[in-house]
Amino acid sequence: GENVEQHPSTLSVQEGDSAVIKCTYSDSASNYFPWYKQELGKRPQLIIDIRSNVGEKKDQRIAVTLNKTAKHFSLHITETQPEDSAVYFCAAALGYSSASKIIFGSGTRLSIRP
Amino acid sequence: EAGVTQFPSHSVIEKGQTVTLRCDPISGHDNLYWYRRVMGKEIKFLLHFVKESKQDESGMPNNRFLAERTGGTYSTLKVQPAELEDSGVYFCASSLNRYRNTGELFFGEGSRLTVL
Repeated sequence: GENVEQHPSTLSVQEGDSAVIKCTYSDSASNYFPWYKQELGKRPQLIIDIRSNVGEKKDQRIAVTLNKTAKHFSLHITETQPEDSAVYFCAAALGYSSASKIIFGSGTRLSIRP
Repeated sequence: EAGVTQFPSHSVIEKGQTVTLRCDPISGHDNLYWYRRVMGKEIKFLLHFVKESKQDESGMPNNRFLAERTGGTYSTLKVQPAELEDSGVYFCASSLNRYRNTGELFFGEGSRLTVL
């Protein structure tokens, strides 16, 4: 089955700097890669996703890149702000259909230093 | 619109006891998932319902865990008898059916289970 590895487990960056979180997956058939953000005491929420027919997707200060050949994908957050502090989870799934299970990584705790 | 709700938010039980967790998905969401997160580890898939049917229960740890979704609405996850390693946060998530789906999972706030 699919296995998702995520690094680093913790990350501390100065406010205004960039943060990068990296994930690898094992099943080359996976073609949907969402990222979820869980703020302290709150539920995980989808912040961005990418499908295998594109290599990069941006939404304001966040971007995701996908390298299908190497089976890795990354989350990039630029101009970090205090509200970016949270645990971020990458995930991978087979197919666009919700019938396929989404497999999550172990999470990265991002702390933004003022 | 109400989000996914889970009950209880926190449960503390002794080893050998029984606990039942409940999840109410977003109305109209056919897909319902149970996940578990142990501190510092991944959000681990447990099982997936499509309406009242179990689509995939490959992540269920063992037969001490029983999930139901009668009538295709709310779901329960029962742990009986509970063991120490069952401690963690149990998340429920729901999503629209396969024909109208963006892939997004809508999570509940989780039920934290502590087994002493």
